[in-house]
Amino acid sequence: QSGVTQPPSVSGAPGQRVTISCTGSSSNIGAGYDVHWYQQFPGTAPKLLIYGNINRPSGVPDRFSGSKSDTSASLVITGLQAEDEADYYCQSYDSSLSAVVFGGGTKVTVL
Amino acid sequence: EVQLVESGGGLVQPGGSLRLSCGVSGFTVSSYWMSWVRQAPGKGLEWVANIQKDGNEQFYADSVKGRFIISRDNAKNSLYLQMSSLRAADTAVYYCARAPMLRGLPRFDSWGQGALVTVAS
Repeated sequence: QSGVTQPPSVSGAPGQRVTISCTGSSSNIGAGYDVHWYQQFPGTAPKLLIYGNINRPSGVPDRFSGSKSDTSASLVITGLQAEDEADYYCQSYDSSLSAVVFGGGTKVTVL
Repeated sequence: EVQLVESGGGLVQPGGSLRLSCGVSGFTVSSYWMSWVRQAPGKGLEWVANIQKDGNEQFYADSVKGRFIISRDNAKNSLYLQMSSLRAADTAVYYCARAPMLRGLPRFDSWGQGALVTVAS
C-alpha cells in the first residue's frame, strides 16, 4: 500500500505562516508525478488552489504557494487570514496503485 | 461561466443500483477528460474514475472496479456514473469534476456541487 500522507491539522495566528506537508514515496511524488492542492470549506465542493506543484490558478491569492522536493510537497500560507480556515488536500498519482491519490486532508485552524 | 451540475443521488438499498448524471456548460466538454470524486461523510476525498475525452478509455479506483461504469455523451454535454452492487461503504457525496491532464496527471479544476448517495436498508 502506498499513497500520500498529510498531518490532520495545523494552526496559526492571523498573519503567521503555516506549512502543510504532503509526504509520499518513490511510487508517487518521488517518481516525478506532480502534486496539486485543493481547499474545501464545510459543505462545499473543493477548489483547485495549486496545480503542477507551484502554479496558482487565476484568482488564488499569492499568499498561497506550493513546492515539491524529493518524495514530498508542501503548501505554504503566508499572512494567514481568518478566511483561510478550511480543509486542504494534496493530490498526486501512485504508480504502484495505478490510481490518482489524495492525502487525508489537513484542517487549518486560525487561532 | 463553467458549471457542472450533478443529479440522480438518493437512498438505495445495499446491492442496489443508481445512475448519477452530470450536466456541464460553459466549456466544450469534448476537449476535457472528466472524473468522479467522492467524499464519505466526515472523511476525505477519494478519486473514483476518469474518462478520456472521446470516452474510449476509462480508469477506476480498485474500490469500485467491476461495479461502477463511467461514461459520457459529448453531444449532450453530460457525464455519467452507473453504480451497481452498492455497499454501505459507497455512501458519499459524489462530485463530477473537469480533469485536464498535466504531465499525465489530472487536475480537478472545476467541480459540481455534489450528489449525495446513501446506501442503507
